Amino acid sequence: SQKIEQNSEALNIQEGKTATLTCNYTNYSPAYLQWYRQDPGRGPVFLLLIRENEKEKRKERLKVTFDTTLKQSLFHITASQPADSATYLCALVSGPGGFKTIFGAGTRLFVKA
Amino acid sequence: DTAVSQTPKYLVTQMGNDKSIKCEQNLGHDTMYWYKQDSKKFLKIMFSYNNKELIINETVPNRFSPKSPDKAHLNLHINSLELGDSAVYFCASSQDLGGRVSGNTIYFGEGSWLTVV
Repeated sequence: SQKIEQNSEALNIQEGKTATLTCNYTNYSPAYLQWYRQDPGRGPVFLLLIRENEKEKRKERLKVTFDTTLKQSLFHITASQPADSATYLCALVSGPGGFKTIFGAGTRLFVKA
Repeated sequence: DTAVSQTPKYLVTQMGNDKSIKCEQNLGHDTMYWYKQDSKKFLKIMFSYNNKELIINETVPNRFSPKSPDKAHLNLHINSLELGDSAVYFCASSQDLGGRVSGNTIYFGEGSWLTVV
């Protein structure tokens, strides 16, 4: 069966360190992989997208890698700040037309000052 | 300007009641969605509409009926509410079906917190 797995345990890191979140999937052939941020009581907000033929994408302090052989994406936040504390959701876009987006359960990140 | 807006934000109702959640997007997008986020925070797609046409219906009970009067609106009506319907319901939109232009980036509303008692 199809699965998207993200660390269910919260990730606690010190301010200034790099946070690394993992997204693993099985039985998918995604056209794209996306990362979203969700704050408590709010809707998810899109952060980054990486396509199946791309290995790495960067945006400011964010970096995403995509390994279709390992079926894994890593999401890095460098020089992390307390304001980065949130839940981060991995999402796979698949289907013949790429029209179906499936979300992981998310990983809660806490950045301590 | 709110891109995807949904009302009400909070809804507390008794079992057996019928309720509606309204959603509007001002992004000019062709595709709209309803997602359900349960207590375990899993975000699951319920419905997808493209230009008012139903594209995805993810084995949702018939008590849930989406209605899209135009491509900027997608409302959700729920009949005979049950305790298990308690969740956060997110309306969302994306530019196009298939993501050929946008990679299917999804824009979410702020959610509607439904509590059935």
